[in-house]
Amino acid sequence: ELKVEQNPLFLSMQEGKNYTIYCNYSTTSDRLYWYRQDPGKSLESLFVLLSNGAVKQEGRLMASLDTKARLSTLHITAAVHDLSATYFCAVDMAAAGNKLTFGGGTRVLVKP
Amino acid sequence: EPEVTQTPSHQVTQMGQEVILRCVPISNHLYFYWYRQILGQKVEFLVSFYNNEISEKSEIFDDQFSVERPDGSNFTLKIRSTKLEDSAMYFCASRDSSYNEQFFGPGTRLTVL
Repeated sequence: ELKVEQNPLFLSMQEGKNYTIYCNYSTTSDRLYWYRQDPGKSLESLFVLLSNGAVKQEGRLMASLDTKARLSTLHITAAVHDLSATYFCAVDMAAAGNKLTFGGGTRVLVKP
Repeated sequence: EPEVTQTPSHQVTQMGQEVILRCVPISNHLYFYWYRQILGQKVEFLVSFYNNEISEKSEIFDDQFSVERPDGSNFTLKIRSTKLEDSAMYFCASRDSSYNEQFFGPGTRLTVL
């Protein structure tokens, strides 16, 4: 059974500093996703990572994938208050019907 | 831009009542999914649906749950006899092929009293 673990579960950030969220998964997967969720809202797709060594960047967020280590990271550069949200990673496998298996989420709070 | 829609946005029901949550996937999509998220917890897969039948379901998706695509556009999730623990946010998602990502709807918040 595919398991996805994120850490930390909660991250209190100071504005202007850099932080990293980690996502480990237990078996080979086809794709890894990062989502952002604001309270009471739906899931906003941030990144889709397809292959080993993939790196994607959007603004202050950068995601990378190491399929050999079964690890993805979401790096936040110079945190700002607007980045306060919960971030989820998720993986899917064609062999599992492409259902998404989510990590437990990382709640990020950026303080001034 | 096409999007997945869900109705209602919030449903309040009494324990033991039946509820139907509705989703309209993106029009050319072929794969449909329901997920749920209990408040403060992670998103959990419930069921996937393709070619008018269930492809896969989780342990959560027991006999109280059913899905249907009644008219070629709507995709519904029915809970026959709701329990308190069914209170959650329910998300519908769709994709056009197994190669592309899923797109999520805004969710339906279900509150069972």
